[in-house]
Amino acid sequence: SQQGEEDPQALSIQEGENATMNCSYKTSINNLQWYRQNSGRGLVHLILIRSNEREKHSGRLRVTLDTSKKSSSLLITASRAADTASYFCATGSYGDGATNKLIFGTGTLLAVQP
Amino acid sequence: DTAVSQTPKYLVTQMGNDKSIKCEQNLGHDTMYWYKQDSKKFLKIMFSYNNKELIINETVPNRFSPKSPDKAHLNLHINSLELGDSAVYFCASSQDPPGQGTYSNQPQHFGDGTRLSIL
Repeated sequence: SQQGEEDPQALSIQEGENATMNCSYKTSINNLQWYRQNSGRGLVHLILIRSNEREKHSGRLRVTLDTSKKSSSLLITASRAADTASYFCATGSYGDGATNKLIFGTGTLLAVQP
Repeated sequence: DTAVSQTPKYLVTQMGNDKSIKCEQNLGHDTMYWYKQDSKKFLKIMFSYNNKELIINETVPNRFSPKSPDKAHLNLHINSLELGDSAVYFCASSQDPPGQGTYSNQPQHFGDGTRLSIL
């Protein structure tokens, strides 16, 4: 069954504002990843946070992970029109040997107005 | 240079036909994947191969048959296409198979998708 659910489903902000997206998941995880998908394109990996980490930064991106609440958030600071895309969280968990897989969330559609 | 490339980009065909989608990666990765993304953008894993060996096979109709001639290629053949097969199919690759190496569940690199429309 679907692992990650994202909130909000859609978000519209002005350029320069910060955007926060949340992801909740159901089972224990090994790590959580965030991806971006521009319209008509494939997913692009943004950042990976492991289950023993609480916060990670990459440029204008900040990701937090709370394993006790089974949730993560992605913050994009000083947003730009080029950040307009769908954002997905994906969880990886320990499975039976080498058959672990990523389970993707439902995605948040971010629109940044110039 | 395109890292993960899939062809064709668009595929429009009639119900009942058989079609193939090809995928190639030049990243030297060990593992390749096929995903299906529906109209609500929900992305679901279908298959995964590691060095030509099938390691993930989700509950997918057996009309779908993946083939990996070598670790850089993973093709998807679909028989007797149905209306419900309409979706965007993505190929992806990663450095190590999930569960192995220092970090399991390595970041995945995606192709730009094949939009399949069944008439």
